[in-house]
Amino acid sequence: GQSLEQPSEVTAVEGAIVQINCTYQTSGFYGLSWYQQHDGGAPTFLSYNALDGLEETGRFSSFLSRSDSYGYLLLQELQMKDSASYFCAVGNAGNMLTFGGGTRLMVKP
Amino acid sequence: NAGVTQTPKFQVLKTGQSMTLQCAQDMNHEYMSWYRQDPGMGLRLIHYSVGAGITDQGEVPNGYNVSRSTTEDFPLRLLSAAPSQTSVYFCASGGGAGYTFGSGTRLTVV
Repeated sequence: GQSLEQPSEVTAVEGAIVQINCTYQTSGFYGLSWYQQHDGGAPTFLSYNALDGLEETGRFSSFLSRSDSYGYLLLQELQMKDSASYFCAVGNAGNMLTFGGGTRLMVKP
Repeated sequence: NAGVTQTPKFQVLKTGQSMTLQCAQDMNHEYMSWYRQDPGMGLRLIHYSVGAGITDQGEVPNGYNVSRSTTEDFPLRLLSAAPSQTSVYFCASGGGAGYTFGSGTRLTVV
């Protein structure tokens, strides 16, 4: 089976940097993804790490350590519009994507 | 370019009724899947397909059927609706790096 752990809630102020951690247990690991979901909306893809290291996309970066079964999403220069839920997800060889329970990020002025 | 289209957006069913949630994608993706999301929770995989004619069960398949006759369409059938199936249902397509989700179907079973 597969399981993922991430914090349920994180609060930060506008302009700050926040890190959302994700640890996982899985068989046949093929990569760690991150998705953003605003209230009432659909999940949207943010980033993907198949190999160890840091991937940067604008204000968002994602990190993976396969040996530690650990990754994180880093959000810089936080804006109010970043208030949303963030999900990590692991993929396996069969293209099955298993999601964590999500981290609700609240950005305060 | 529509991406992933789900219909209907909202639906109310009575216990015991059956219905089909529609999902269509125009990106020629082989992989499609159905998730349900309950309030304040993550997404749980119901069924998935790696290509036309191939489907498999996910984490919570009971009470749901799927078929994949074409690359574009992946309908989800509720056989006999139960209040426990009240949820938001998302269809997704893609593979590898990222998946595209439909806008969701909000289903209430009374």
